[in-house]
Amino acid sequence: QSVLTQPPSVSEAPRQRVTISCSGSSSNIGNNAVHWYQQFPGEAPKLLIYYDDLLPSGVSDRFSGSKSGTSASLAISGLQSEDEADYFCAAWDDTLNSYVFGTGTKVTVL
Amino acid sequence: QVQLQQSGPGLVKPSQTLSLTCAISGDSVSSNGAAWNWIRQSPSRGLEWLGRTYYRSRWHTDYAISVKSRITINSDTSKNQFSLHLTSVTPEDTAVYYCTRVGGNLGNWFDPWGQGTTVIVSS
Repeated sequence: QSVLTQPPSVSEAPRQRVTISCSGSSSNIGNNAVHWYQQFPGEAPKLLIYYDDLLPSGVSDRFSGSKSGTSASLAISGLQSEDEADYFCAAWDDTLNSYVFGTGTKVTVL
Repeated sequence: QVQLQQSGPGLVKPSQTLSLTCAISGDSVSSNGAAWNWIRQSPSRGLEWLGRTYYRSRWHTDYAISVKSRITINSDTSKNQFSLHLTSVTPEDTAVYYCTRVGGNLGNWFDPWGQGTTVIVSS
């Protein structure tokens, strides 16, 4: 049962921009770093954003992350068909003493 | 470059123990700068962190509340690997299981991930 809330799906035309929200609480997002993962069908998740807004080496700068209070966001600009995937946020939760994940958002390129 | 290779059965009978192993290359299971985690994913429960083991002068383990009474994560330094054991499984434990690494601070990100093992609990 996911603790962080994301929209189930977002869709947009190619070359447009989409934003995925991730809502939590003071015990997770409000007090700890948020990390984002991209997952293609049949594959393991892959790190996309770490420490709220940092890009790992090799990740396109069309991806960006931000955080404010108990919510975080992932933005994808210049949307491409290869961006069609599921996206998850995650953070450590101080109350649960556990990592918690978002419910996941499926991105569709129209 | 760290790589994780999972192994273990894909079918487990109800009430039995689910056991999976994750072999590490490019790092050490006893590294003071890493923690070794198990995560599972199912349509009903989404992504769920199960627990971790790490070495900081001595071995530590942390487990998710949801499985705390049934889970053991241990390490084998001679083989540079770590394992998941989940007892008394039910069909609810059917999921894709992943091993993964956290580097640096314990609340950091998961990277890399193992290839995943689909485990079905069925008689």
